[in-house]
Amino acid sequence: AQSVTQLDSQVPVFEEAPVELRCNYSSSVSVYLFWYVQYPNQGLQLLLKYLSGSTLVKGINGFEAEFNKSQTSFHLRKPSVHISDTAEYFCAVSGENNDMRFGAGTRLTVKP
Amino acid sequence: GAVVSQHPSWVICKSGTSVKIECRSLDFQATTMFWYRQFPKQSLMLMATSNEGSKATYEQGVEKDKFLINHASLTLSTLTVTSAHPEDSSFYICSAPDGGHGNQPQHFGDGTRLSIL
Repeated sequence: AQSVTQLDSQVPVFEEAPVELRCNYSSSVSVYLFWYVQYPNQGLQLLLKYLSGSTLVKGINGFEAEFNKSQTSFHLRKPSVHISDTAEYFCAVSGENNDMRFGAGTRLTVKP
Repeated sequence: GAVVSQHPSWVICKSGTSVKIECRSLDFQATTMFWYRQFPKQSLMLMATSNEGSKATYEQGVEKDKFLINHASLTLSTLTVTSAHPEDSSFYICSAPDGGHGNQPQHFGDGTRLSIL
């Protein structure tokens, strides 16, 4: 079965600084990788996804992620964060039957 | 874009009450929907896979008699928490893929905050 590990539970960063949220996955078969953002008391919003093709994926709100098969990673990056990016971020992996598994989440806090 | 509507958003009720949560796909058909539970400051835990016209598939450790799932149509799945107790208090989220293949992202409802007194 597939799984993901988010290496950082909390990431504090100052406004306009770059940020990287780390995610590693494990699977014995082809996987599809996603990053979601969750604001308080809300559902999840898709930031970006990797299905196949180019390993650099660009998403909404200026986020991007790079799929690295050799390192089994799918880290999320943003070159300059805003206060409004403060939220919980989840890395997820899905198999062929759509059952999605989530990482433990990373709390990104952007300070002024 | 595709939207999943979840209702109600907040429920507060007494211990022993049964609570029904609805999950609707508004502009697409969902033969499969997923139900998750999220504890404070924790990740989403997959509870069960809801399959239209057949029995739900429950994850290990999830009580099927406690969490009843019905997927009677291609646009509606319901989760009923039977005889709810305070330990059932949590944030419940449903999702549905827009398509049948694993490469489709899930569309999530806004969640239901369940508080059992």
